[in-house]
Amino acid sequence: GAGVSQSPRYKVAKRGQDVALRCDPISGHVSLFWYQQALGQGPEFLTYFQNEAQLDKSGLPSDRFFAERPEGSVSTLKIQRTQQEDSAVYLCASSPNGLAGRFQETQYFGPGTRLLVL
Amino acid sequence: RKEVEQDPGPFNVPEGATVAFNCTYSNSASQSFFWYRQDCRKEPKLLMSVYSSGNEDGRFTAQLNRASQYISLLIRDSKLSDSATYLCVVNVGLYGGSQGNLIFGKGTKLSVKP
Repeated sequence: GAGVSQSPRYKVAKRGQDVALRCDPISGHVSLFWYQQALGQGPEFLTYFQNEAQLDKSGLPSDRFFAERPEGSVSTLKIQRTQQEDSAVYLCASSPNGLAGRFQETQYFGPGTRLLVL
Repeated sequence: RKEVEQDPGPFNVPEGATVAFNCTYSNSASQSFFWYRQDCRKEPKLLMSVYSSGNEDGRFTAQLNRASQYISLLIRDSKLSDSATYLCVVNVGLYGGSQGNLIFGKGTKLSVKP
């Protein structure tokens, strides 16, 4: 069956460019998370959606980062005026439910978008 | 102090060896615990959940000590295919405004040699 997909898989941007990263979660999954993984580090939380509602954006590192999920399925993470420190792998994960018990659920990760800012 | 700490390794072991990874977490409100496996340039994949009673899945055994805030993973009879980075992961549920996101350690790299 189809898992979480992300596009593009690789993105090279010049410093100052805007980029948009797409995530297609597993069909019907309510919860969607974005994580950032720098080289040699574990993934770090960026933001969370329950359907179309962005319930937590506490992990977004600056106001240059913006995420949306307007119809409760596909999500886009946008980074404006990219900086070299934005270079990382951006991972999207989804899980079936939006209830409190979701913290027991498996989160299914997409393959990530590898962003390199020159 | 990082919320989840683990020895980065690398652990270089021969095939057939038993290897143990340890992890500590700082938030006593942590609700659920996992080990994820991440192959080079791939996404993390759930290896196993970790329960207070301890749990086993084939060659893999996970233990949780809530009092010490300590999690372990034991791999017996290691295979070449076990070579990967093992990520210790906790979830604090709805504590402090969290919405159930995962909190990852930096990972422990395992290399199993012939």
